[in-house]
Amino acid sequence: GQSLEQPSEVTAVEGAIVQINCTYQTSGFYGLSWYQQHDGGAPTFLSYNALDGLEETGRFSSFLSRSDSYGYLLLQELQMKDSASYFCAVRAGDTDKLIFGTGTRLQVFP
Amino acid sequence: DGGITQSPKYLFRKEGQNVTLSCEQNLNHDAMYWYRQDPGQGLRLIYYSQIVNDFQKGDIAEGYSVSREKKESFPLTVTSAQKNPTAFYLCALRGGTGPGELFFGEGSRLTVL
Repeated sequence: GQSLEQPSEVTAVEGAIVQINCTYQTSGFYGLSWYQQHDGGAPTFLSYNALDGLEETGRFSSFLSRSDSYGYLLLQELQMKDSASYFCAVRAGDTDKLIFGTGTRLQVFP
Repeated sequence: DGGITQSPKYLFRKEGQNVTLSCEQNLNHDAMYWYRQDPGQGLRLIYYSQIVNDFQKGDIAEGYSVSREKKESFPLTVTSAQKNPTAFYLCALRGGTGPGELFFGEGSRLTVL
C-alpha cells in the first residue's frame, strides 16, 4: 500500500523561511507532488519532482530524495497569503492514481 | 471559458437519498478523478477514469458510483449506502505537463441532514 506522513501544523512569521517535510511509503515510485489549498478552496498544483534534487519556482522550492523516500517543500520570504494547507502526493505505481498526504496547515503571523 | 466545472457548489439532502454531483471539462483531457475531503483532512480517492467507458475504484469507493459515457463528463453519485456522505467533493483532471499534476474543480459541498 501507500502512505505519506507530514506534520499537521507549522507556524512562522512573515519574511521567514519554512520547510514542510513529507515521507512516503509506496509500491513503485514515480514522483512527488505538492499542492496548496486555502480554506474553502480547491487544491492548486505547486510542483512535481520525479528525480532527486531541488526544483525552484519563485519563492517555492521542492526537494526529493528517492533513496530516503523523503521530500520537502521550502517556502521563502513568507507572506500572509501563504497561510494555507499544503499536501504532498505520490503517484501510486504504474497507474494514474495520485495518493495525498493528510496535509500540513501553515500559519503565517505578522 | 476553458476548464473544469463542478455543480452544484452546495447541496443539502435528506438521509437515504441518492445525489449526483456533476463534473464537466472542456480541456480534452483523458484522466479524471473524484476525491473526498473531510474537515481538516487530506484528500481520499473515490474513483478515477483514464478513458471513456472505463473507470477504476479508488481507496473509498464503497457507497459511490460513477459513469464515463463522454470524455467531457464524469458524474459521481453518492448513494444511500454511503454511511457518512457529508463532505467536500473534488473533481480533478490530470494536467498536461506531467503525471503528478492535477487541475481541480471548485468542489461541491454536500451536507446530509
